[in-house]
Amino acid sequence: SAVISQKPSRDICQRGTSLTIQCQVDSQVTMMFWYRQQPGQSLTLIATANQGSEATYESGFVIDKFPISRPNLTFSTLTVSNMSPEDSSIYLCSVEGTARSTEAFFGQGTRLTVV
Amino acid sequence: AQTVTQSQPEMSVQEAETVTLSCTYDTSESDYYLFWYKQPPSRQMILVIRQEAYKQQNATENRFSVNFQKAAKSFSLKISDSQLGDAAMYFCAYRRNTDKLIFGTGTRLQVFP
Repeated sequence: SAVISQKPSRDICQRGTSLTIQCQVDSQVTMMFWYRQQPGQSLTLIATANQGSEATYESGFVIDKFPISRPNLTFSTLTVSNMSPEDSSIYLCSVEGTARSTEAFFGQGTRLTVV
Repeated sequence: AQTVTQSQPEMSVQEAETVTLSCTYDTSESDYYLFWYKQPPSRQMILVIRQEAYKQQNATENRFSVNFQKAAKSFSLKISDSQLGDAAMYFCAYRRNTDKLIFGTGTRLQVFP
C-alpha cells in the first residue's frame, strides 16, 4: 500500500483566510484526488489533481475556491480560499495507481474548522 | 447516473457476534468494481474488501466477507467474530473501470463488549 502524509491534520481558521493542505506520497502514483467530507456525511470528490496541468473539477467546485497544484507524481496541494464556516469539513487526499496496486488509498484527512 | 445506497445509518453488534451491513447500487454497466471502506475515528479510510463484478465468487478477507448479488445489485458486508476495533463508519463504494469512486452515505457500526 501507499503511505500518504497529509498536513495539517487539523486547523482552526478565521473566515476570509485561506488554508493550504499538503499531500505527500511515498511512491509515484498515477492519480491523486481531493475529497470533502462534511460533518456526518459521505465523501464528495472535489477534483482530480493532474500532474503538470490544471486539475479537473467536479460539478459544484471551482478553481478559484479550491486551487490545486500537482508539481510531480508524489505531491499535491489543495487550497481552501476565502473560507467561510460552511467550509468546515474533513478534506481527504486519495491516490491510485501505485507500482504495486490499483487500489485507492487515503490520507488521514485534515479537519478544518472555520470560525 | 450511478448511485450507492446504504439504508442502515447505524448498526450495533456484540463482541464475537456476526453483523451484516447492507449496500445496494444502481448501474446499467456490467463491468465494475465494488468496495467496502472502513473509517475509524482516526479519519483514515481503509480498504476492507473489494469485489470485481465479473467474478461470481464472493470476496473474503479474514473475518470480512461479502454477499454479492449482481442481478439484485446488492453488495452486503458480513463481519464475523466482531471485535472492538471494528467499530467505525463503513462506506460502500462503486467504480466503473477507472472512473471516480462513488460512495454511499455510510453505516456507523458500534461494537459492545
